[in-house]
Amino acid sequence: EPEVTQTPSHQVTQMGQEVILRCVPISNHLYFYWYRQILGQKVEFLVSFYNNEISEKSEIFDDQFSVERPDGSNFTLKIRSTKLEDSAMYFCASSSGQGVSEQFFGPGTRLTVL
Amino acid sequence: QKEVEQDPGPLSVPEGAIVSLNCTYSNSAFQYFMWYRQYSRKGPELLMYTYSSGNKEDGRFTAQVDKSSKYISLFIRDSQPSDSATYLCAMSSAGGSEKLVFGKGTKLTVNP
Repeated sequence: EPEVTQTPSHQVTQMGQEVILRCVPISNHLYFYWYRQILGQKVEFLVSFYNNEISEKSEIFDDQFSVERPDGSNFTLKIRSTKLEDSAMYFCASSSGQGVSEQFFGPGTRLTVL
Repeated sequence: QKEVEQDPGPLSVPEGAIVSLNCTYSNSAFQYFMWYRQYSRKGPELLMYTYSSGNKEDGRFTAQVDKSSKYISLFIRDSQPSDSATYLCAMSSAGGSEKLVFGKGTKLTVNP
């Protein structure tokens, strides 16, 4: 069964460092998303991406964040200068985008900023 | 008022019990309603997907949407220990590509 994969499963970084979180969406999907979940809080939308450009972003997704689809399979989230409050689980999701279609979530990357 | 509200629980029930999980929402533009299940340290997994109002049944799971009251429910019949997880409601104003707005999740434990 196709699935969304994410690497690494856990990333520890120092405040101010850049991190790149990687995702491989389901191969025939066209829409890609990043969500995050701070411990004990709700899953929050960060950004959606379609046709090699951002289609929507939340207030959380400021200039410190960027997304990229560098090749035909990977989808990345970069945080340029991490802050303590960026510590969270980051989930990648993908969907076919056609009709009533499900967003499939990856297992997440736990980001810890020290 | 928060866009989606969900009682975080925790909820603890004996095996075989009927479980009722609920969310309320404020945005009348929401048309698509979903229930995700999330096990500890895993990503959300879709359980049920309902468009507009009405009921949908899938095995032991029944999803209900009442748009007039802005209230959705998930019922689990004959609950099993394997149902122990956090249940997240999620909504969107359009299907397919639209962002999801989640509730906080209800942590359910089914005791054998």
